[in-house]
Amino acid sequence: AQSVTQLGSHVSVSEGALVLLRCNYSSSVPPYLFWYVQYPNQGLQLLLKYTSAATLVKGINGFEAEFKKSETSFHLTKPSAHMSDAAEYFCAVSDRGGNKLVFGAGTILRVKS
Amino acid sequence: DAEITQSPRHKITETGRQVTLACHQTWNHNNMFWYRQDLGHGLRLIHYSYGVQDTNKGEVSDGYSVSRSNTEDLPLTLESAASSQTSVYFCASSELGEGRRGEQFFGPGTRLTVL
Repeated sequence: AQSVTQLGSHVSVSEGALVLLRCNYSSSVPPYLFWYVQYPNQGLQLLLKYTSAATLVKGINGFEAEFKKSETSFHLTKPSAHMSDAAEYFCAVSDRGGNKLVFGAGTILRVKS
Repeated sequence: DAEITQSPRHKITETGRQVTLACHQTWNHNNMFWYRQDLGHGLRLIHYSYGVQDTNKGEVSDGYSVSRSNTEDLPLTLESAASSQTSVYFCASSELGEGRRGEQFFGPGTRLTVL
């Protein structure tokens, strides 16, 4: 069964600093990969999606992620953190049919002024 | 605009009672999903449906049931609520089309407390 591991349940960065949220998946077949963001008391919103078209995926709000098959990783980055980026971020992998998702445990991002 | 709604947003109930959480989407999506969110576990799949009259068990389906009588709605029923089912519940939907496969749209969530 597919699984997703997010390293670090909490990440704290200063405003303007690089954001790096780590995600590793386990799958024998390159799946669809996703990053979702959840702001307080809201549902999840799609940040970006990997579909094998390109290994570097750009998403909303300046976020991007790079798919590295050799490392089974899909880390999320943003060059300069903004206070509004404070939220919980979830990495997810789809099943082979591309319909069901398996989510990681989430990483709470704190941005310090 | 198309959307996905959940009701109620907050619910407090007692152990042993039957509870139904509503989910309604106007995206006309075939796929619908129910998750529960608990600290340290992320989102775990409870039940899902790929169309009318189709329902399937997810990772944590014990004590829950769903039915799909139309495209728009997938109500989640807790047959006999237990304190372990205190959680935040999210409904989501997605379409089958190749270009948008896997992209799930989420409702705002229902916070359920079982006393």
